[in-house]
Amino acid sequence: GAVVSQHPSWVICKSGTSVKIECRSLDFQATTMFWYRQFPKQSLMLMATSNEGSKATYEQGVEKDKFLINHASLTLSTLTVTSAHPEDSSFYICSASTGLLIYNEQFFGPGTRLTVL
Amino acid sequence: DAKTTQPNSMESNEEEPVHLPCNHSTISGTDYIHWYRQLPSQGPEYVIHGLTSNVNNRMASLAIAEDRKSSTLILHRATLRDAAVYYCILGYNTDKLIFGTGTRLQVFP
Repeated sequence: GAVVSQHPSWVICKSGTSVKIECRSLDFQATTMFWYRQFPKQSLMLMATSNEGSKATYEQGVEKDKFLINHASLTLSTLTVTSAHPEDSSFYICSASTGLLIYNEQFFGPGTRLTVL
Repeated sequence: DAKTTQPNSMESNEEEPVHLPCNHSTISGTDYIHWYRQLPSQGPEYVIHGLTSNVNNRMASLAIAEDRKSSTLILHRATLRDAAVYYCILGYNTDKLIFGTGTRLQVFP
């Protein structure tokens, strides 16, 4: 199946710094990429939907100025957590889609574990 | 959005069949039923999806009730690698997945 990679797989940073997470579709072009966050023992929460060349659409309650999303190409989306604080520590997961779910499965990255000290 | 209800957790022994239920009494006529699973410390992966008829693939089977108010994901022979959280999600004209709480499946040797 199609592969989605994330980099880094884990990162530890100091409070107040910014962290960039990359999401790449390795062998296909994704029409849409999605970003999720997941706290321990909880479900995935959709943060935003990202399309190449356009502004991301954020879910209600997600601060767009804090979680900057850039979708530079059909194979690359980045999430930057700006001025990270300990409460931003979480598992961040991206996914890539080639179309409607009824025709196309969604492919997920392995996740990036962010720890903010 | 139509909601789904799943048991929080289920247990199975290795090599036994597992039936994971999902209730979706407010499902619309066009909603598909999608199943994804998430292995520990990994991103989710697709399992199966269907509309009305039962569906089979190499990973699992999906049995959909005639009134479509419920469905069951069937793992024919559970392995230790099947231990995961299984999510039942409804959707039609979208590429967006909204995850519920899912069912945590434990598989014992």
